[in-house]
Amino acid sequence: NAGVMQNPRHLVRRRGQEARLRCSPMKGHSHVYWYRQLPEEGLKFMVYLQKENIIDESGMPKERFSAEFPKEGPSILRIQQVVRGDSAAYFCASSQGLGVADTQYFGPGTRLTVL
Amino acid sequence: AQTVTQSQPEMSVQEAETVTLSCTYDTSESNYYLFWYKQPPSRQMILVIRQEAYKQQNATENRFSVNFQKAAKSFSLKISDSQLGDTAMYFCAFMKLNFGNEKLTFGTGTRLTIIP
Repeated sequence: NAGVMQNPRHLVRRRGQEARLRCSPMKGHSHVYWYRQLPEEGLKFMVYLQKENIIDESGMPKERFSAEFPKEGPSILRIQQVVRGDSAAYFCASSQGLGVADTQYFGPGTRLTVL
Repeated sequence: AQTVTQSQPEMSVQEAETVTLSCTYDTSESNYYLFWYKQPPSRQMILVIRQEAYKQQNATENRFSVNFQKAAKSFSLKISDSQLGDTAMYFCAFMKLNFGNEKLTFGTGTRLTIIP
């Protein structure tokens, strides 16, 4: 059973370009969380999605950032018109969503560098 | 809102010794879970141990155990017989019980180095 997959592992963008980060949850998991880790900091919650629904986006910047989790395919975190401050590691985690306090399993992260 | 504080940015210990990492949190919730995650140089986040707030018994996982003091809002991690592979960043995390949305709130981490 493959773990949470994220790609690309490393992404370099110039200021003003778009970044697309992909997350494939573990098999059987229907809940996805995205977190951002700035250098030398802990992870900060961004958005929580279930299939075809955004449940909580309270941690996501209001502009330039969007997320989706379609019925088929991976979850996508999209950052438009990237700026240097977007440079960070972006992690997704998935859970089954069947019980209480389901363990979240993390992917290896995508390290975004904005030049 | 919940906050998680890890007051030790860095720690180091000799191989085979025991080390304790501290974590305190602030919440008005009565039902919650606490976690320790490990992030080795590969940057993969790995669950080390979890604790249910309603359980008085401290969780243990092999060489890893916690000291959970609910009244003091303290949740420390003890690593016994430390090994070189334990070298990593360790993050304490809080999860409020909220059916359908259980995001994690992380502390800033403790960088642990095991010295051969």
